[in-house]
Amino acid sequence: AQTVTQSQPEMSVQEAETVTLSCTYDTSESDYYLFWYKQPPSRQMILVIRQEAYKQQNATENRFSVNFQKAAKSFSLKISDSQLGDAAMYFCAYRVNFGNEKLTFGTGTRLTIIP
Amino acid sequence: EPEVTQTPSHQVTQMGQEVILRCVPISNHLYFYWYRQILGQKVEFLVSFYNNEISEKSEIFDDQFSVERPDGSNFTLKIRSTKLEDSAMYFCASSTGTQETQYFGPGTRLLVL
Repeated sequence: AQTVTQSQPEMSVQEAETVTLSCTYDTSESDYYLFWYKQPPSRQMILVIRQEAYKQQNATENRFSVNFQKAAKSFSLKISDSQLGDAAMYFCAYRVNFGNEKLTFGTGTRLTIIP
Repeated sequence: EPEVTQTPSHQVTQMGQEVILRCVPISNHLYFYWYRQILGQKVEFLVSFYNNEISEKSEIFDDQFSVERPDGSNFTLKIRSTKLEDSAMYFCASSTGTQETQYFGPGTRLLVL
């Protein structure tokens, strides 16, 4: 069974600084997707970034980028120039690329931005 | 930008009562999902739905749960006889395909007393 682990229940970062959130996963599949979702206090889950496992290039979306290490089964999220609006719960999620459509989520990391 | 909507945002019910949670997926999406998040815990998959059929369900999704697409826009989750442990945030999601990103609604917070 696939599992997703986020070992940092809470992180904090000074506004304008950079922070990295960790995620590891376990799977026997070779073709899958990885996601970071953000859940602000409003509780709506918002997609931050997505990575396809067959792509070696790390995904980037503006201030958000990932460090995808397939062999190590690691998928960390880097937030540059942190802003107050980045404060949220961040969930790492996994989905296999065929058949099984469900997302498997980690337990989340609560990110606090210090003004 | 199109988004998934859910109603109600909050619902309080008595144990044993039936509840129906409603979702309007993004209009050109064909795949629909329900997830739940018990307070303080991770988001868990409940069920996926395509072409008017359940395509996958988790062990959480027992006989007390059912899903339906009653018309061309709504997607509902029914809990027949609610239990205290059904108290959670329920998220609806939709996507254009099984390999595509799932977009989530804002959730319905269900409290069973």
